[in-house]
Amino acid sequence: GAGVSQTPSNKVTEKGKYVELRCDPISGHTALYWYRQSLGQGPEFLIYFQGTGAADDSGLPNDRFFAVRPEGSVSTLKIQRTERGDSAVYLCASSLWGRGDNQETQYFGPGTRLLVL
Amino acid sequence: KQEVTQIPAALSVPEGENLVLNCSFTDSAIYNLQWFRQDPGKGLTSLLLIQSSQREQTSGRLNASLDKSSGRSTLYIAASQPGDSATYLCASANAGGTSYGKLTFGQGTILTVHP
Repeated sequence: GAGVSQTPSNKVTEKGKYVELRCDPISGHTALYWYRQSLGQGPEFLIYFQGTGAADDSGLPNDRFFAVRPEGSVSTLKIQRTERGDSAVYLCASSLWGRGDNQETQYFGPGTRLLVL
Repeated sequence: KQEVTQIPAALSVPEGENLVLNCSFTDSAIYNLQWFRQDPGKGLTSLLLIQSSQREQTSGRLNASLDKSSGRSTLYIAASQPGDSATYLCASANAGGTSYGKLTFGQGTILTVHP
């Protein structure tokens, strides 16, 4: 595709429910990142995939959060037993290699706005 | 742990003015420093990327500088226009560990350029 896409664009759910957020990276990009952005703040890192494996999940806030990328392309962020504090914009980004090349730009999707009532 | 701070939090200027946005970071072990633009309700658009070995990068009316020793970067916008109104975010790509290129963001500067 032309850019990173994320679905749904908006998600409203009730406290305690399970949600899945999807990210389609730019075709051919090996690295995929998830970030979370609260109102008035910069994005915060959640998890990073190099291919199919999660190379760094140190930003996941707790074990209610989980992400997969089974075929090395599309990724799904899964949140169990949602809480009101999970409300935020969830951003996905991809880059070509994710090797730490100092020229590598991350390309961001439009985000999924999650509201937990 | 890397910390990135942006000053000012908000800036309002008349059209045509030249302006400077500031970004500071605590850990100089970075691969690069990136500047992004975010429009309301939208994702991030990459503006400039400065490699750790570089001092500055330019794109059109934008110029970004990097001083690793002092932990600072600045984004200079020349001849500002109302269309430049947006939130500007800086982010460092942190070196080391297993998370190549993991970005640490500042909280952003909200820029308003009025006609």
